[in-house]
Amino acid sequence: EIVLTQSPGTLSLSPGERATLSCRASQSISSTYLAWYQQKPGQAPRLLVYGASSRATGIPDRFSGSGSGTDFTLTISRLEPEDFAVYYCQQYFSSHTFGQGTKLEIK
Amino acid sequence: QVQLVQSGPEVKKPGSSVKVSCKASGDTFSRYSIHWVRQDPGQGLEWLGRTIPILGESNYALKFQGRVSIFADTSTSTVSMGLSSLRSEDTAVYFCVTSYGSGVSPFDYWGQGTPVTVSS
Repeated sequence: EIVLTQSPGTLSLSPGERATLSCRASQSISSTYLAWYQQKPGQAPRLLVYGASSRATGIPDRFSGSGSGTDFTLTISRLEPEDFAVYYCQQYFSSHTFGQGTKLEIK
Repeated sequence: QVQLVQSGPEVKKPGSSVKVSCKASGDTFSRYSIHWVRQDPGQGLEWLGRTIPILGESNYALKFQGRVSIFADTSTSTVSMGLSSLRSEDTAVYFCVTSYGSGVSPFDYWGQGTPVTVSS
């Protein structure tokens, strides 16, 4: 099973700042099969990025994904108040597994 | 726009079984695979399996094989997920989720979630 490790566990930032979230895979995966999701309290996760760098429909361009092999990154260029949430990476290269999540909280 | 509406909360005893349903809108069944993902109280996400309604095929995560079954009823556009031999660790919110086509795609639409509590 491919294990995804996200870091940091919690990220404390202020609106307007830049956020960088990391996802590391236990083995190399094609970037085609790496996605990022956002989850707010009481809601289901929402697809943000797929194929490591393609934004899903309706996702603002302040969200961007990058990476390859075992290291992937989600960047939020200028944080808006509604961006504070939990973020998960997922690989669908070999079955489906998720990272444990990064909580992005207001500083 | 795909809409997925799930059945209500469940409380079950250890050793029993649970069935959770998910009704899909429109022609979802002809274009999407339907997966089940659960989220435990510690917030971890775990994939249980999927069905491809137009092919009538299902496949399951190794961890749940023998305990989970996923079935699509095309006449009612409803997918059901059954989980047997329940234990306390199965307490979680269960989501039905779509991925486009019958191949490998990200999870684009999610149901509202069904809490399942396993407790004696």
